[in-house]
Amino acid sequence: DIQLTQSPSFLSASVGDRVTITCRASQGISSYLAWYQQKPGKAPKLLIYAASTLQSGVPSRFSGSGSGTEFTLTISSLQPEDFATYYCQQLNSYLSITFGQGTRLEIK
Amino acid sequence: QITLKESGPTLVKPTQTLTLTCTFSGFSLSTSGVGVGWIRQPPGKALEWLALIYWNDDKRYSPSLKSRLTITKDTSKNQVVLTMTNMDPVDTATYYCALTLTTILNWFDPWGQGTLVTVSS
Repeated sequence: DIQLTQSPSFLSASVGDRVTITCRASQGISSYLAWYQQKPGKAPKLLIYAASTLQSGVPSRFSGSGSGTEFTLTISSLQPEDFATYYCQQLNSYLSITFGQGTRLEIK
Repeated sequence: QITLKESGPTLVKPTQTLTLTCTFSGFSLSTSGVGVGWIRQPPGKALEWLALIYWNDDKRYSPSLKSRLTITKDTSKNQVVLTMTNMDPVDTATYYCALTLTTILNWFDPWGQGTLVTVSS
């Protein structure tokens, strides 16, 4: 299986901050990566797929970049509703779909 | 509007077989390119992909759980069923089903609300 390692695991930030979360793959996965947001007690919500394509309805303050083994999710200006846990996901079902361990984003 | 909803037992005993049903609306699993996946999340832990079934009955399984999983579909009922054998307390988790509209590169959207399954004697 391809392992995904997110960093940091925990992030404390303030409203208005720019934050970046990194996801590293154990081997190259081209641009086959998605990002999800999950709030407590809720199902994950798709934010970005194919590394950088914003899902319809997702605010433009979210952006994704990267290819190969290193990917980033950036929130340009944190809003109160953005405090949640974020997961990356490797997309290729032939290689077995995997998720990162999550990054918990909390209010400073 | 696309919706998915998971159903099944909330409590199972160790060694029993778990059967979960995903009932969906707003799409058809007979449409080319459509798939439904199962993902679980133990309390306080990360997401784990389990299985995926496509419109053409192609099936994919997590290698680590493949021997215990079976995924099937009933297109006429708009349902996907996941069975997991030999349940253990470590299988306690919220189980989600979700839609994927691509055949190889599978991102999931939307997801069902999830159903919590506890494994305990």
